[in-house]
Amino acid sequence: KAGVTQTPRYLIKTRGQQVTLSCSPISGHRSVSWYQQTPGQGLQFLFEYFSETQRNKGNFPGRFSGRQFSNSRSEMNVSTLELGDSALYLCASSFGENSEQYFGPGTRLTVT
Amino acid sequence: AQKVTQAQTEISVVEKEDVTLDCVYETRDTTYYLFWYKQPPSGELVFLIRRNSFDEQNEISGRYSWNFQKSTSSFNFTITASQVVDSAVYFCALSEREGFKTIFGAGTRLFVKA
Repeated sequence: KAGVTQTPRYLIKTRGQQVTLSCSPISGHRSVSWYQQTPGQGLQFLFEYFSETQRNKGNFPGRFSGRQFSNSRSEMNVSTLELGDSALYLCASSFGENSEQYFGPGTRLTVT
Repeated sequence: AQKVTQAQTEISVVEKEDVTLDCVYETRDTTYYLFWYKQPPSGELVFLIRRNSFDEQNEISGRYSWNFQKSTSSFNFTITASQVVDSAVYFCALSEREGFKTIFGAGTRLFVKA
């Protein structure tokens, strides 16, 4: 079974630009969560999607948004990038609520 | 509100030593789930164990064991006879029954020296 895939793996953007990150969950998994990982803040929950519905959102500004498609693939978008958005963005999929999550390798975003 | 505290930021041990990673959690829910994940230097988080709040039985898997105590809101992880390959950051995490999110602790970085 293929694992969670994330594209791109690395991204360099400048302040003010926007970025879209993609995540393909494990086949059969309908829940996709996104996290931001930074050395200072650790793993911070961004949002969770299930069957194309966002069920929860973390404490991030509205510049961070996401969506899930009917095939469970998910994208997250960050608009008007700031230097502080530089981080590793992790996507995780799971079969359902409160199940263990399987993580992708992450997208490392650098904002200059 | 849910919260996970991993007070140990970094631990350094010599190979073959036993090491315990502490995890203390807070939740108002009576039904919740606890997890441990490992993040090796390669970066990809790996699931280790899941426990629900109604199952306080300790678990052993090879050199790994977990001690869940509701009375102290703790879910500690012990590695017996540590090996260099155990070097990683270990995260404890908590999800509530209908919260639709998982909260992670800050992580404990474990160094195992040969």
